[in-house]
Amino acid sequence: GDSVTQMEGPVTLSEEAFLTINCTYTATGYPSLFWYVQYPGEGLQLLLKATKADDKGSNKGFEATYRKETTSFHLEKGSVQVSDSAVYFCALSQGGSEKLVFGKGTKLTVNP
Amino acid sequence: GAVVSQHPSWVICKSGTSVKIECRSLDFQATTMFWYRQFPKQSLMLMATSNEGSKATYEQGVEKDKFLINHASLTLSTLTVTSAHPEDSSFYICSARTGNGNTIYFGEGSWLTVV
Repeated sequence: GDSVTQMEGPVTLSEEAFLTINCTYTATGYPSLFWYVQYPGEGLQLLLKATKADDKGSNKGFEATYRKETTSFHLEKGSVQVSDSAVYFCALSQGGSEKLVFGKGTKLTVNP
Repeated sequence: GAVVSQHPSWVICKSGTSVKIECRSLDFQATTMFWYRQFPKQSLMLMATSNEGSKATYEQGVEKDKFLINHASLTLSTLTVTSAHPEDSSFYICSARTGNGNTIYFGEGSWLTVV
């Protein structure tokens, strides 16, 4: 079945550092890809998404590009802030299905 | 913006007892809600899809008689873990889809520990 593998955490960075969280997927067809973020004490929120190959999703300075050739959707940010400290989940869904398949989540801590 | 709230956030119960987790959409009507769980070091896994006024649809491997889901109103779905055992200890999180189906909002999650 479909699956998502994301970088094991936790990840600890200093403010203004460059962030990459790797995400690869296994799926048939052409899934939609997502990054969700969960800030402490809050629910998961959609951070960005891409629905087809070579699409780039972006939001709040974060970016991820749908790479079908490498089945990847790595999350990047050029300069992280303390407020970016959260757990990040990579996910996919198939063909408009409401069923999301998640990775394990990566906890990011950004220190001042 | 739309908010989905779960209660309780943390619960500890004794083995053999039942525990109920609530999921509420606070400012929109949710015809469909979803329940996920995440065991330690594992992925979030969909347990069931709950539709208002009808029976929930369970994913393969999820015991419907153990994990009772009730979606009696457009703003509330409940998950009851019956006869809980330590292996049911997990992070349970719900999500709700807006009426127009365009957006899914997640709750904060509930940590269940069965001792």
